[in-house]
Amino acid sequence: DAKTTQPTSMDCAEGRAANLPCNHSTISGNEYVYWYRQIHSQGPQYIIHGLKNNETNEMASLIITEDRKSSTLILPHATLRDTAVYYCIVRAAGANSKLTFGKGITLSVRP
Amino acid sequence: DGGITQSPKYLFRKEGQNVTLSCEQNLNHDAMYWYRQDPGQGLRLIYYSQIVNDFQKGDIAEGYSVSREKKESFPLTVTSAQKNPTAFYLCASSYRGNNSPLHFGNGTRLTVT
Repeated sequence: DAKTTQPTSMDCAEGRAANLPCNHSTISGNEYVYWYRQIHSQGPQYIIHGLKNNETNEMASLIITEDRKSSTLILPHATLRDTAVYYCIVRAAGANSKLTFGKGITLSVRP
Repeated sequence: DGGITQSPKYLFRKEGQNVTLSCEQNLNHDAMYWYRQDPGQGLRLIYYSQIVNDFQKGDIAEGYSVSREKKESFPLTVTSAQKNPTAFYLCASSYRGNNSPLHFGNGTRLTVT
C-alpha cells in the first residue's frame, strides 16, 4: 500500500472550516484514499473515502487532486468535538486489502 | 442499535497469564480485524478474518492467537509469549465487498504487570 504524509498537528477556530492536508505521491490507480478520526481513548471513526472524484457526506468533504498525489479533508464548520487525531490512509481495492494506519494529524479546535 | 462491542474496557493481568479479549458484532459483517495501538502511535494489524473458520496473520501476530467459530465473534488471546502485551486493543469489522469501510469498537485497554 502507498504511504501517506501528514503534518503532525494543526489548529483552527470553532465555526471555521478545517482543511486537513495529506500527501500520497506514490498512490496507485486502484488505491482509495480513506479518512478516519480517533478521539482520545476511543476506537477510530470512519469519515469518508474516495478514489478520484471529490466526495461529500454529512461529516466532511474529500477533495482529491487531479493527479491523485494529494488530498484534503474539509470539516466545513469545526466544533470543539472535532478535536481528534485524523488519519489519512491509502488502501488498495480488493476484499483482502488491509488498512494501515500512520500517526495521523492532531487537530485542535479552539473556542 | 447495530455495532461492535468490546469487553471489558479495562483489563489487568499478571505477567505469564494468557488473557482473552472479546469482540462481538451485530452488523452482519463478514470480515473482522484486531489492531493494537501503543501510546502516540498508529494502529498495527494483529490478525484478520474474512470468513468464518478462516483467519490470516497481520503485521504483528507473534504472541497472539484468534478463532472465528461464529460470524459475530472474533476473540483475541494474548499469550504469555507476547513480550510487550500492555496496549490498547481495537477490534473492527466490515463487509467483505470491495473497499467496504472498517467500523471499530471502542477498545480494550490491557495492562500486564
